[in-house]
Amino acid sequence: EVHLLESGGGLVQPGGSLRLSCAVSGFTFSTYAMTWVRQAPGKGLEWVSSVSASGANTFYADSVKGRFTISRDNSKNMLYLEMNSLRAEDTALYYCAIVSRSVSPLPDCSSTSCYAEYFQHWGQGTLLTVSS
Amino acid sequence: DIQMTQSPSSLSASVGDRVTITCRASRNINGYLNWYQQKPGKAPKLLIYASSTLQSGVPSRFRGSASGTNFTLTINSLQPEDFATYYCQQTYISLCSFGQGTKLQI
Repeated sequence: EVHLLESGGGLVQPGGSLRLSCAVSGFTFSTYAMTWVRQAPGKGLEWVSSVSASGANTFYADSVKGRFTISRDNSKNMLYLEMNSLRAEDTALYYCAIVSRSVSPLPDCSSTSCYAEYFQHWGQGTLLTVSS
Repeated sequence: DIQMTQSPSSLSASVGDRVTITCRASRNINGYLNWYQQKPGKAPKLLIYASSTLQSGVPSRFRGSASGTNFTLTINSLQPEDFATYYCQQTYISLCSFGQGTKLQI
């Protein structure tokens, strides 16, 4: 059974730093891209960042680019999100998720591949509060 | 970046109704559109991927369709457990994005 467990959330002052972790089990971690998605209290889902299976390629939302760094340790089945220069608007529940993929049933490819990608497995989230 | 616009933001319906939620992409995404359901205090659950492919285990009353940059999630014969918030998501580009959500209420 696939299991994702986030940790590392807490209360941080504006301008501070924190590292989130996601421990993954139940599947071959090193063969899947991973992602972080956040949800501010009472708000919708916001994609934050993704990392390729090898860790070589990373992607960030404009709202966190230059402040957050995603990484992974395939030897430990761990995903990380290093967050710096934190702002009040970063307050949210942070989910990690597996980027699942299957051969696309669509006639045309995406901009990156001919696989359909989706977030099939999610953790339960870890809460980050940025406040003085 | 690609913006996803969902409508309506909230919707009231009754058990047994059929409801439709729409999602519009700001540009062509070749159908790379997913739908999720989220209940309070829970992580999102994947319902449909690639516009219309039903995720394994999801009831067949959920149906997705696409027309150009417009996408639709239809729920037939609403069940009590379907009252939740629904999100669309494009994965056409690596910088994926979600719609703002549609809250389906009794």
